[in-house]
Amino acid sequence: KAGVTQTPRYLIKTRGQQVTLSCSPISGHRSVSWYQQTPGQGLQFLFEYFSETQRNKGNFPGRFSGRQFSNSRSEMNVSTLELGDSALYLCASSLARPSGRASDTQYFGPGTRLTVL
Amino acid sequence: AQSVSQHNHHVILSEAASLELGCNYSYGGTVNLFWYVQYPGQHLQLLLKYFSGDPLVKGIKGFEAEFIKSKFSFNLRKPSVQWSDTAEYFCAVNPRPNAGGTSYGKLTFGQGTILTVHP
Repeated sequence: KAGVTQTPRYLIKTRGQQVTLSCSPISGHRSVSWYQQTPGQGLQFLFEYFSETQRNKGNFPGRFSGRQFSNSRSEMNVSTLELGDSALYLCASSLARPSGRASDTQYFGPGTRLTVL
Repeated sequence: AQSVSQHNHHVILSEAASLELGCNYSYGGTVNLFWYVQYPGQHLQLLLKYFSGDPLVKGIKGFEAEFIKSKFSFNLRKPSVQWSDTAEYFCAVNPRPNAGGTSYGKLTFGQGTILTVHP
């Protein structure tokens, strides 16, 4: 089975721009979670999507948003970029059983390295 | 809010030395526990996980971890490290969902421990 894929792998943007990152989960996985990884803050949860619905959200400003499509692929968008948004953005997928119990293992993609100038 | 604490930021060992990386979490309810590893230039990979049952779990590459509920700990161990174990190790916690479902898909990570193994 192919793993989680993320595109693009690298992005350079300037302050004030917006960016869209894409994530394709492992085939059959229905849940997609997004994380931001920085040297100072470590790995922080952004949000989680399941069946095209956002079920959980971390403590990030509204400039960070996402969506999930019917094929479970997900995108996240960051508007009005700030220098502090420079980070590695990770996507993870899990099976997420119909019962909705969050007891599944998350598998991570390689990430998108975003640099804001 | 739950938190995860890893005891050491950077551990330096020689090959064949034994390894133990500490992880403590703060959460009053039932949790799922994970250790992930990030090798240089690679993505996060699952080392092992604990959901329930035997508190001593074995993972890939000879790693194991022990869940001690009374101590809120999930320490990672390996009897004999190799140079190829050089990486950053992350402990992560996922509380079982409560009635409000605020735990869905959310892993809380420790700050990571960089392991350097000298040949």
